[in-house]
Amino acid sequence: QKEVEQNSGPLSVPEGAIASLNCTYSDRGSQSFFWYRQYSGKSPELIMSIYSNGDKEDGRFTAQLNKASQYVSLLIRDSQPSDSATYLCAGYSASKIIFGSGTRLSIRP
Amino acid sequence: DAGITQSPRYKITETGRQVTLMCHQTWSHSYMFWYRQDLGHGLRLIYYSAAADITDKGEVPDGYVVSRSKTENFPLTLESATRSQTSVYFCASQSGNEQFFGPGTRLTVL
Repeated sequence: QKEVEQNSGPLSVPEGAIASLNCTYSDRGSQSFFWYRQYSGKSPELIMSIYSNGDKEDGRFTAQLNKASQYVSLLIRDSQPSDSATYLCAGYSASKIIFGSGTRLSIRP
Repeated sequence: DAGITQSPRYKITETGRQVTLMCHQTWSHSYMFWYRQDLGHGLRLIYYSAAADITDKGEVPDGYVVSRSKTENFPLTLESATRSQTSVYFCASQSGNEQFFGPGTRLTVL
């Protein structure tokens, strides 16, 4: 069973700090990885895609991929209350996307 | 409006009834997916479709039926609803290998 594992949290971070979300995956064949943000009662929203080793930055968000360690992370700089949500990590393999169960992030004022 | 829509957004039904959840996308994406999301289980794939008239089972297909006669529509039918099918259902379509989700249908089976 190909899996994507995340710590369910909740992860509590003070406003303005860096939030670090982590994810590991079991399928070495996975080539693409994604971070989705899901607000309570809403659908998942794609916020970052990463396809190669290293870092990818988009505004306050940085995705990191380490294929040798089978590890994906998402850093959120200058955390805002609006970042409070569940973050889903996902990997693409064999025409399907496998989702982790999500990490709940809470930004405290 | 462009995008992916689902209907109804909320549905309450009774055990044993047939229910159809609708999904419509305007992007002409080939791939479409149905997921259910439950506390403690995350998103689980029910069925997916690579193109019109091509469908395949996902992780949890039992009790569900899908069809795809047109690229833009991908309905999901619960032939005889059970309480265990109470969940939030998300439809998604895929561009390249990125998926985009509809707003979801909250289904309650009494």
